Amino acid sequence: AQKITQTQPGMFVQEKEAVTLDCTYDTSDPSYGLFWYKQPSSGEMIFLIYQGSYDQQNATEGRYSLNFQKARKSANLVISASQLGDSAMYFCAMREGYMGAQKLVFGQGTRLTINP
Amino acid sequence: ETGVTQSPTHLIKTRGQQVTLRCSSQSGHNTVSWYQQALGQGPQFIFQYYREEENGRGNFPPRFSGLQFPNYSSELNVNALELDDSALYLCASSLEFRTSGPAAYNEQFFGPGTRLTVL
Repeated sequence: AQKITQTQPGMFVQEKEAVTLDCTYDTSDPSYGLFWYKQPSSGEMIFLIYQGSYDQQNATEGRYSLNFQKARKSANLVISASQLGDSAMYFCAMREGYMGAQKLVFGQGTRLTINP
Repeated sequence: ETGVTQSPTHLIKTRGQQVTLRCSSQSGHNTVSWYQQALGQGPQFIFQYYREEENGRGNFPPRFSGLQFPNYSSELNVNALELDDSALYLCASSLEFRTSGPAAYNEQFFGPGTRLTVL
């Protein structure tokens, strides 16, 4: 069963606009963490933001914020004031539990293109 | 602070051959995870090493094996290469896998990857 679903294969946004990248997840574990990574064409995965399942507030990191709706099992990434350098693949990932291997389960990704 | 490095950057092999990929973890990190990312897909977990022992494995056959050395660097070995093994192989390092609480944050730092092509 797919645990992370990203339904937007591609997104095109004008520079300086805000963009929301969708992510839904599936788990029966009450303890989990949700991550967003950016992958430029160079291939390296760059950590953007993290949300723990017990966190009461939505995570924010600079221009990145995570819209965490636990009941709906969604963890959408919001990028404010998009920049040309934001063009990349974006992956949502989940880690279940708090013991054992820190295995990350990734979604299929969304390719974001920022137009000037 | 030295980041995660991987070698080689690119590699071309033929079917049936064996390959070894290398990863140096970030300074102070004792856990290394390996992921396979096929073209157009998200990364898939292969296995993780903690203090030189395998600590969790994904749905990959035994011809995928690994090592972790006392300095916490790691190798991924793939025997009897198949065409479907063509992918970007990512290594990620992190601190001790035992977390301090529920879903406690413990970032994995990724290397730049090794792009393997099997012909």
